[in-house]
Amino acid sequence: SQQGEEDPQALSIQEGENATMNCSYKTSINNLQWYRQNSGRGLVHLILIRSNEREKHSGRLRVTLDTSKKSSSLLITASRAADTASYFCATAQGGSEKLVFGKGTKLTVNP
Amino acid sequence: NAGVTQTPKFRVLKTGQSMTLLCAQDMNHEYMYWYRQDPGMGLRLIHYSVGEGTTAKGEVPDGYNVSRLKKQNFLLGLESAAPSQTSVYFCASSYRGELFFGEGSRLTVL
Repeated sequence: SQQGEEDPQALSIQEGENATMNCSYKTSINNLQWYRQNSGRGLVHLILIRSNEREKHSGRLRVTLDTSKKSSSLLITASRAADTASYFCATAQGGSEKLVFGKGTKLTVNP
Repeated sequence: NAGVTQTPKFRVLKTGQSMTLLCAQDMNHEYMYWYRQDPGMGLRLIHYSVGEGTTAKGEVPDGYNVSRLKKQNFLLGLESAAPSQTSVYFCASSYRGELFFGEGSRLTVL
């Protein structure tokens, strides 16, 4: 069964606005990752946050992790049309090397 | 670097036919995975391998077999294809927990 669940399922914003996507998961994790998928392409790794970290930045991306609430958020600041894609969170449980993905948030950034 | 390469990219099968999807990676990664992606379902893990000669079941293994005879290759087989196996299949390899994906193989079973 799916471990992570993204919210919202779809998000449409204007260029320049910020986009926030959330991910909730069910069991304890080693780390949580965010991936991006452009239409018809494979997934690309964006950022990994470990269970002992609370916040991480990479360029225009900011990820937070709240292990007490079993949730994470991905913030994309100053969005661009090129950010249009689906975004997935993925979690690794315990000592497992298996990554379990959520169903994704489809982001549309309108020019 | 080619990264992760999947072949074929597209395939149409009739129910009951068999086929093999090939995944090749040139990054010397130990871990490799096969996922399927269906609309509204996200990615689901079919099988994975933690090294040459090893395989393990994922979330949805039924109807599929895999082999990892060489470290760089991970094969996914469908012995008797069913319409429910119509999907986009993604192979990935991993390093320090980060997955590197291929571009996908779109399979249609009629």
